[in-house]
Formats: sequence, C-alpha cells, structure tokens
Amino acid sequence: QSALTQPRSVSGSPGQSVTISCTGTSSDVGGYNYVSWYQQHPGKAPKVMIYDVSKRPSGVPDRFSGSKSGNTASLTISGLQAEDEAGYYCCSYAGSPTFWVFGGGTKLTVL
Amino acid sequence: EVQLLESGGGLVQPGGSLRVSCAASGFTFSSYAMSWVRQAPGKGLEWVSTISGSGGNTYYADSVKGRFTISRDNSKNTLYLQMNNLRAEDTAVYHCAKREDKIFAYWGQGSLVTVSS
Repeated sequence: QSALTQPRSVSGSPGQSVTISCTGTSSDVGGYNYVSWYQQHPGKAPKVMIYDVSKRPSGVPDRFSGSKSGNTASLTISGLQAEDEAGYYCCSYAGSPTFWVFGGGTKLTVL
Repeated sequence: EVQLLESGGGLVQPGGSLRVSCAASGFTFSSYAMSWVRQAPGKGLEWVSTISGSGGNTYYADSVKGRFTISRDNSKNTLYLQMNNLRAEDTAVYHCAKREDKIFAYWGQGSLVTVSS
C-alpha cells in the first residue's frame, strides 16, 4: 500500500478537464509545500509536470496545474488531449526519516 | 541534454546480490544529489535512496536500510546501487533520478531487477 492515496483511474473526453487527487497526512502533504506530480507513459521514464505544489517546469503546457488544501493535493489537466493519456504519480517530501513518499498512481484515459 | 542510462539489472536468487549502475551525462554530475526510485510490476513508485553530490551523505528507505548501499563515482559520472540479501519484494524496475532541490527532475528509463528462484 502506497503512502499517498490516489484514485486508480480517471477519464475524460478531449477538451474536458480532469482532476486527480492525492491524499496524505500532516506529516507529508499537509506539512510541506513540496508536492510534485509525474507523468509516465508505458515503458517510458517519468517526467515532472508540477513541483512545489503548483509550479510548472519550462516546457510543460499551462493546461497542467496543481494545488493543495490541507492533506490533499490535486493535479488538474484542462483541455484534455490524446497525448495526456498516461499514468500520473504524486510525490511529497516527508522529512526525516521517511524523506519521500509517492502515491500509487492514477491511470488517465482520454476517451 | 540530461541523459541517465541504467544498467546491471537481471535475475537473481533470493538472498543474492546485484549492483545496478546509472551513467549520467549532460550536466555537472558532482553538483547534484542523485536518487534511486523503484517501481514493482504493476505498482506505484517507491523512493529507495538518495546520495548528496559529494557522496558524503546518504539516505535510505526503511525497506532497504542495511541491505542496499548507494554510492557514486564523480570521476566517471556514474551512480551505483549495491543490493544485498535480495528478497522477492525487491523485484522492480530501478530508476535513477537527478535531484534538483526537492524535485526528481530527470529520470532514466530504468533497469529491471527480478528476484526469484
């Protein structure tokens, strides 16, 4: 069982918006503003899409946004495109001695 | 362009040992902390270990502490993970990742380690 809880799957049609939740505790998500989100296509390396809760690395479309409320972080993808179909993982810093915790991953299907 | 290429995975019996490597290029290797993150088949990601840029500080997940050792050779731009006393639950794809502050900024595609008799 992963430390952070994500829905196993979400889906949406092209052009729609979807939100993926990531629930932790006050020791990880709620305690630090170091939540990041990673996209992984099958057989590929993960790619960072959001870091520090809501910041986007250069090159990541502004259709991707992140937020946090209490112990739950969220990734929202607006204007869904076919290439967004992938697995998405949240990650939070948790301090010593745990350091880093990940979610179990959410499979996004673009209908 | 940052590139991370893992190697050294394979099939090993329970209780056995294996070392996976990660060759890095495209950045000043010694300036960055590096991590190993694994992914069991059909499962989520799990942080395994991190080493500072100089190699002087290392950190481990409780699940591997005392069995795995992370190290680096900055002259060869290479990261290592020595895995001893392997268990079936260590079966996973092992990814190396370049750390930038609190981000796993770049990842390799991974090396599969299978622990089975």
